[in-house]
Amino acid sequence: DVKVTQSSRYLVKRTGEKVFLECVQDMDHENMFWYRQDPGLGLRLIYFSYDVKMKEKGDIPEGYSVSREKKERFSLILESASTNQTSMYLCASSFRGLAHEQYFGPGTRLTVT
Amino acid sequence: AQSVAQPEDQVNVAEGNPLTVKCTYSVSGNPYLFWYVQYPNRGLQFLLKYITGDNLVKGSYGFEAEFNKSQTSFHLKKPSALVSDSALYFCAVNELTGGGNKLTFGTGTQLKVEL
Repeated sequence: DVKVTQSSRYLVKRTGEKVFLECVQDMDHENMFWYRQDPGLGLRLIYFSYDVKMKEKGDIPEGYSVSREKKERFSLILESASTNQTSMYLCASSFRGLAHEQYFGPGTRLTVT
Repeated sequence: AQSVAQPEDQVNVAEGNPLTVKCTYSVSGNPYLFWYVQYPNRGLQFLLKYITGDNLVKGSYGFEAEFNKSQTSFHLKKPSALVSDSALYFCAVNELTGGGNKLTFGTGTQLKVEL
């Protein structure tokens, strides 16, 4: 079974803190993704990576950065957390190609106070 | 850019009745369409996909989806709903990007199955 794990299920941070969310997949997938999910807005893509050290902006990259130093690991960084970044964050991975589905981690519920 | 639309925020159905969750798409070229389900406080789970071939696609948990090119639709269906099918359902389309490919999701449809 494909496994995508995220470093925390719940996280509470203060405004201005630097926040790291980590995602690890065990299926040798080329692609990895970070989404945020908010009620009524569905899933919105923040950033994705199609290879080690390669990244591409998604629909809402402002206020976020990412790092992919190893194929299995993809980190999302909030340089200076703000209250409007309170959300559910979902990581996913997939093989390259249009025919391949994405596999999702359990999500991290981040609250910024 | 490719897109999908889910016109219903919520669908209510009685247990044992057939269910349909609607999705329409807008793509240039051949569509690569997916359905996912999300149970409360969980990540998304893949249900099924349409790549090419038969217009009726079968997936997990007894779900199927019908691809209709003329109506640009990809509706999710199940012949007999269960209370345990109550969840949030997302339709998505895969598209090429500069270096790879990514999914674009609809806003989701909350399915509520009642006794």
